Amino acid sequence: GNSVTQMEGPVTLSEEAFLTINCTYTATGYPSLFWYVQYPGEGLQLLLKATKADDKGSNKGFEATYRKETTSFHLEKGSVQVSDSAVYFCALDPGNNRKLIWGLGTSLAVNP
Amino acid sequence: EAQVTQNPRYLITVTGKKLTVTCSQNMNHEYMSWYRQDPGLGLRQIYYSMNVEVTDKGDVPEGYKVSRKEKRNFPLILESPSPNQTSLYFCASSWGLAQYFGPGTRLTVL
Repeated sequence: GNSVTQMEGPVTLSEEAFLTINCTYTATGYPSLFWYVQYPGEGLQLLLKATKADDKGSNKGFEATYRKETTSFHLEKGSVQVSDSAVYFCALDPGNNRKLIWGLGTSLAVNP
Repeated sequence: EAQVTQNPRYLITVTGKKLTVTCSQNMNHEYMSWYRQDPGLGLRQIYYSMNVEVTDKGDVPEGYKVSRKEKRNFPLILESPSPNQTSLYFCASSWGLAQYFGPGTRLTVL
């Protein structure tokens, strides 16, 4: 079946540190992959996406590359800011019914 | 402004008292969905709708009802709420690959 596994949090970093949040998936076929972000007190927002192998999604300084060989879609940012403190969700669209398969979320806290 | 709105944002109620959480989107999206978010469990889909008058169960539909009489609205109905339905609820709509989420409704059932 389809599933998404992402690293457990919370992750605590100092401002300007490098961020990696790991996400791996299992899927049949050719899924699309997403990172969503949830800022405190808000709904989820699409951060970036990739629709095929070797695609790199990027937005707001965040990047993730769709790696079919390792079934991964790790989120990275070179220099985090306090305003990046949020919960990050990795998700997979297997291509049917637009029903996303969600990871459990990783909480990130960035200290000044 | 393109958005998904939910009302109310916060609700405290008692066991057995019927309630409705409204959801409306102004993007003419065909697909809409309800999720609940609980600590340690992530997001779980309750119901979804592919279009007007077309709804289907998600992963945790027990205790909930939905209707889709018009494209923009997708209310979530709890006929007889119970304490285990205390949660944070999100409505979402979708066109293409991206889902657009409402701000959430925090429901407490006493």
